[in-house]
Amino acid sequence: DTGVSQDPRHKITKRGQNVTFRCDPISEHNRLYWYRQTLGQGPEFLTYFQNEAQLEKSRLLSDRFSAERPKGSFSTLEIQRTEQGDSAMYLCASSLGACGQETQYFGPGTRLLVL
Amino acid sequence: GQQLNQSPQSMFIQEGEDVSMNCTSSSIFNTWLWYKQDPGEGPVLLIALYKAGELTSNGRLTAQFGITRKDSFLNISASIPSDVGIYFCAGHLYGGSQGNLIFGKGTKLSVKP
Repeated sequence: DTGVSQDPRHKITKRGQNVTFRCDPISEHNRLYWYRQTLGQGPEFLTYFQNEAQLEKSRLLSDRFSAERPKGSFSTLEIQRTEQGDSAMYLCASSLGACGQETQYFGPGTRLLVL
Repeated sequence: GQQLNQSPQSMFIQEGEDVSMNCTSSSIFNTWLWYKQDPGEGPVLLIALYKAGELTSNGRLTAQFGITRKDSFLNISASIPSDVGIYFCAGHLYGGSQGNLIFGKGTKLSVKP
């Protein structure tokens, strides 16, 4: 399978715990994106990387959230001190390009439930 | 917040029927994309549109990028049971972020009881 992969697919945690999600983009893609999706809504943009550089962060990305892409390949999204409102599907996408606004291909998502 | 109005919110289909849904905005978009999402999965790309007026087909699916660059529609011909799911329109805002793909709230397609 050469698509975007995400791990884990599901995560249940208790409020206050830290969680980390991983995304592996399509192998030649230089851009990687994180989105959050809550029930009944479309995905909402969180942040994106071009290679190792984090180029944009949404206002949705509070101080408790941090994303990295250290070698320009896979990325991690960490949520510290989780809250019940963090329960959502976290989606990763990737694209190939340099001019911006390319087509994004999504992974299967990580569903987070904070108890 | 969301800047795309997607309609209808939901619809029921009978096998063989044609389906139409659309997305509108008060803002201009540079790209329009249509995705399908099944429960518990990520969105899967159906059609990507890059130019105003562009009409593109993918099997039984046809989508168009509106001339005003403020709307797009998706048609599905001769629907089949596996067409059931949630369809999202998405786009890149003119003058907006390079990374931020803006999504509508989705159109849920279900089978008529």
